Amino acid sequence: VQLVQSGSELKNPGASVKVSCEASGYTFTTYALSWVRQAPGQGLEWMGWINTRTGNPTIAQGFAGRFVFSLDTSVSTAYVQISSLKAEDTAVYYCAALFCSSGSCWFDFWGQGTMVTVSS
Amino acid sequence: QSVLTQPPSVSAAPGQKVTISCSGDSSNIGNNYVCWYQQLPGAAPKILIYENDKRPSGIPDRFSGSKSGTSATLGITGLQTGDEADYYCGTWDIGLSTGVFGGGTRLTVL
Repeated sequence: VQLVQSGSELKNPGASVKVSCEASGYTFTTYALSWVRQAPGQGLEWMGWINTRTGNPTIAQGFAGRFVFSLDTSVSTAYVQISSLKAEDTAVYYCAALFCSSGSCWFDFWGQGTMVTVSS
Repeated sequence: QSVLTQPPSVSAAPGQKVTISCSGDSSNIGNNYVCWYQQLPGAAPKILIYENDKRPSGIPDRFSGSKSGTSATLGITGLQTGDEADYYCGTWDIGLSTGVFGGGTRLTVL
């Protein structure tokens, strides 16, 4: 089982970027998928998650507005699109498979991360 | 400022034991299970402990977790240089379907 993310991106401020996360080795709908941001030298920040069965996204406070989660189930891939990029969006973006059991959920395995750099 | 509070750093000698604390409140740790993640330098995080004290297959029993009230603790015994990493606690609010992480603790094995 694995999640493979798209490659690094360098974008100008104000542009948009779309990061992909392709799942393999399991049935895509077995796990929901979360997105986690890690700014340079900083900790992990939960961005939200998307239900891979329904496509319904839940976006954390602080990420509403410019961040959009989506799916293409035909290719077992999740996406996060970030619009109106700012310098402070510079970070590594991880997707993580969310496993839930008996009232508990955790991030069972992670993608390798995608570095997004916003700079002119 | 993270919702869950961890010490920024801890250190110990090889072979020794170390504990890392994670403090929250009744809205997070107090009413939900705690997980711990290990992030080795330059790598993605990896699940270390789930449901407060359970280890996924492949995680050695040198790693342990516990929870009491609104705090949780990760313990690592028989420290090895390969344990040098950042460690994050986290919870998932099953009612709200939201997640949160601690600020992370850097472990140095001297």
